Amino acid sequence: DIQMTQSPSSLSASVGDRVTITCRASQSISTYLNWYQQKPGKAPKLLLYAVSSLHSGVPSRFSGSGAGTDFTLTISSLQPEDFATYYCQHSYSTLFGQGTRLEIK
Amino acid sequence: EVQLEESGGGLVQPGGSLTLSCAVSGFSISDHYMDWVRQAPGKGLEWVGRTRNMANSYITEYAASVKGRFTLSRDDSSNSLYLQMNSLKTEDTAVYYCARVMVDFLTGYYLDYWGQGTLVTVSS
Repeated sequence: DIQMTQSPSSLSASVGDRVTITCRASQSISTYLNWYQQKPGKAPKLLLYAVSSLHSGVPSRFSGSGAGTDFTLTISSLQPEDFATYYCQHSYSTLFGQGTRLEIK
Repeated sequence: EVQLEESGGGLVQPGGSLTLSCAVSGFSISDHYMDWVRQAPGKGLEWVGRTRNMANSYITEYAASVKGRFTLSRDDSSNSLYLQMNSLKTEDTAVYYCARVMVDFLTGYYLDYWGQGTLVTVSS
């Protein structure tokens, strides 16, 4: 079975920082990788699908890259509303990573 | 405006049953696959199951953790989804979300709209 592992599990950063979150698949998943953002008490929201396609309404400071087993989510300049938990997901197995909590430093 | 609204959550004893509903507006579920995803308190996201659309014979798929105990159904005429949960265990305690699935054979599957969730607590 495919395993999805995110790193780090948590991260502290400041407004304006550039932040990168990594997601690694235990075997190649081509570009079938999605990213979601979840704020406390709220439903997850789709950010990116197929590695790098921005969902409608998502700011361009969010970007994704990778293929095969290694993927990254980058936030180019953190905004206050970006502090949340981020999840990757392999789109065909439906498996989610364990999440990365992004906190204010 | 796309809206998904779950209901039916609550407190149930281990071994009991509960049925969740998801009322959808803003699009027709008949055209879409629909998923249920859950989140245990303080934990990550866990996919529960999927119901495909009529064009794909309404095929349902389940996570191993719920297969044989949970049943997904849909009523396209009322634009609603249902999650019947039987033989509930304490580890089924979670917020349950319904979500629309976008399917593209080039990009795969992704969940583009989610409900706000409904809490199911399994406890004696």
